[in-house]
Parts: sequence; structure tokens; C-alpha cells
Amino acid sequence: GAGVSQSPSNKVTEKGKDVELRCDPISGHTALYWYRQRLGQGLEFLIYFQGNSAPDKSGLPSDRFSAERTGESVSTLTIQRTQQEDSAVYLCASSLLGTGGPGELFFGEGSRLTVL
Amino acid sequence: GQNIDQPTEMTATEGAIVQINCTYQTSGFNGLFWYQQHAGEAPTFLSYNVLDGLEEKGRFSSFLSRSKGYSYLLLKELQMKDSASYLCAVRDPAGGYNKLIFGAGTRLAVHP
Repeated sequence: GAGVSQSPSNKVTEKGKDVELRCDPISGHTALYWYRQRLGQGLEFLIYFQGNSAPDKSGLPSDRFSAERTGESVSTLTIQRTQQEDSAVYLCASSLLGTGGPGELFFGEGSRLTVL
Repeated sequence: GQNIDQPTEMTATEGAIVQINCTYQTSGFNGLFWYQQHAGEAPTFLSYNVLDGLEEKGRFSSFLSRSKGYSYLLLKELQMKDSASYLCAVRDPAGGYNKLIFGAGTRLAVHP
């Protein structure tokens, strides 16, 4: 597609349930990032993929969070046993590195997660 | 450690000039980005600096001093639509890859 696509755009769930958030990056972009943004806050780094590998998972808040990427394309962020503090907008971004350009991130519209 | 500091909020008048500062301390440095984020929307790319000096792009300019760990975003001829959050981000190549670390953002309110 033309831009980064994320789904669902909105998700309301009950505490303790699992959720899956999906990201479709720009075609050909090798790098993919997940960030979390709480209301009125900055972007908190979660995880970075280069191809299908995740060299840095240091931002994942706990072992309830996991992510994978397949086919150097779609990525899924899974949150197990959701807690109220997981409520936030989860932003996915992709970039193209190594072409001589700045390699800026292109963001999706985000998935707004509300845990009741 | 890694730390990026920006003022939390700023206000300015339509037609004026505003400068938003950003200081950073990171393990490594491979470029600094500025993004604009309107409320409820995704961040969009504004500018990129990797060498010292000023980069100008229409009404927006961005400056970098690597020795001081300092950047600013300059917005001229402010318009009401410039009311948004402005995010400073540093690309840190530590570990052999490029992680973009964001500051908390500066909320700019432009008044008539």
C-alpha cells in the first residue's frame, strides 16, 4: 500500500484478555518499529525489526508483550493478559535504510487500545 | 544512558517566529529528526540533521550542534495550523543498528 497500515484502529478489551495488533509497513521497507504513546506523552520505543529479526527487544515492558514479523512485511504485536496500564496508542513505523537518504520513519495511524 | 530533553509547552502568536530547543545525551549519534504530530494523528517527518549547521525547508529550519548535543527547530510566519506537538528524535547506532529515540515532545499553541 501507499502508507503504513495498522489494525484495528480502536480496540476495547477487558483486563486479562489477550490482544493482537497488526502492522502492514510500506512495501520494501526493511526496518519496522513499534512505539507506545500514552495520552499526552511522548513515544516510548518497544521493539525494532530489521528484516524478520528483532535485534532490540529492550523496550518491551514485560514478558506479556511479544512481537513477530514475517516475510519482511507484516508485523504483529501481541499483549497477553492485558492490564489497565497497557491502555495507549500503539504506533508502528517503517523506514528504508541504506539508500543514502535520511531513513526517516513513516508512521501508521496507530491502534488505540483501551483496557477496562 | 539515553536522554532527550525538550520544553513541555510553548505558546506563540500567529505570524511570529518560535524556536523549539532539544538537547540529547545518547550512546551514539547517527542523525537527529524533527517530527510534527497533530492531536490524534500520526507523527509526520519534518527535518533531518546529521552534520552541524542549519537545514532550511520553507518556513521550517533545523539546527544541529553535535559537540553540544543540541538542536533547535525554528518555525517562521506561524500559522494556526502549526499548533501541534513537535518531537525531537535521535538515531542511535549503538549495537550495530539504528534505533530512533524520541523526546517527550513540545506542545506548541499558536494564538491569533
